[in-house]
Amino acid sequence: DGGITQSPKYLFRKEGQNVTLSCEQNLNHDAMYWYRQDPGQGLRLIYYSQIVNDFQKGDIAEGYSVSREKKESFPLTVTSAQKNPTAFYLCASSISRQGTQYFGPGTRLLVL
Amino acid sequence: DAKTTQPPSMDCAEGRAANLPCNHSTISGNEYVYWYRQIHSQGPQYIIHGLKNNETNEMASLIITEDRKSSTLILPHATLRDTAVYYCIVRVDRRDTNAGKSTFGDGTTLTVKP
Repeated sequence: DGGITQSPKYLFRKEGQNVTLSCEQNLNHDAMYWYRQDPGQGLRLIYYSQIVNDFQKGDIAEGYSVSREKKESFPLTVTSAQKNPTAFYLCASSISRQGTQYFGPGTRLLVL
Repeated sequence: DAKTTQPPSMDCAEGRAANLPCNHSTISGNEYVYWYRQIHSQGPQYIIHGLKNNETNEMASLIITEDRKSSTLILPHATLRDTAVYYCIVRVDRRDTNAGKSTFGDGTTLTVKP
């Protein structure tokens, strides 16, 4: 079964804690992306990676970090510097940097 | 990235065609127009995309104006399951250093009514 998986579906963070959201794809896509979605709003780009070992900041990268050590994996860490992390986080991938994006099911992050 | 403008909401009667407009007046020559939809609490689903010509697939049709400044997504026979938020975006050309970025606005909430 090919596709993009995100885990966990729900994640709880305590104040001052770093948490990492997982995103895996077995589509052999070069490009991967992380978006944040707040209630009733569109998607905002956090980070994107066009190839392994390379990534660029999106529009709202502050308080987040990523790595791209493997083609199939693009984990997102929400650091304690992100003061308002509660949101729905979506990962996507595309075969190339201009191809159609395919999205995972999302992770909902809540702050305790 | 060219920004897109969509109406915040639309209603459509079940079985009728849903026509969702999108303005992208600053689109550049090699930017594609993409449409996605998002059903509540799920990841967006790809629908269709195009550059200049009209496109059709099993889900929808995409009509792009000759000047490419606007487009319309057509769901020919809307069903209740088509109720979702529909996003129109443009993707930058791969030669651009920002290639890979795409901006999702707030989209159009389509409500299909029985």
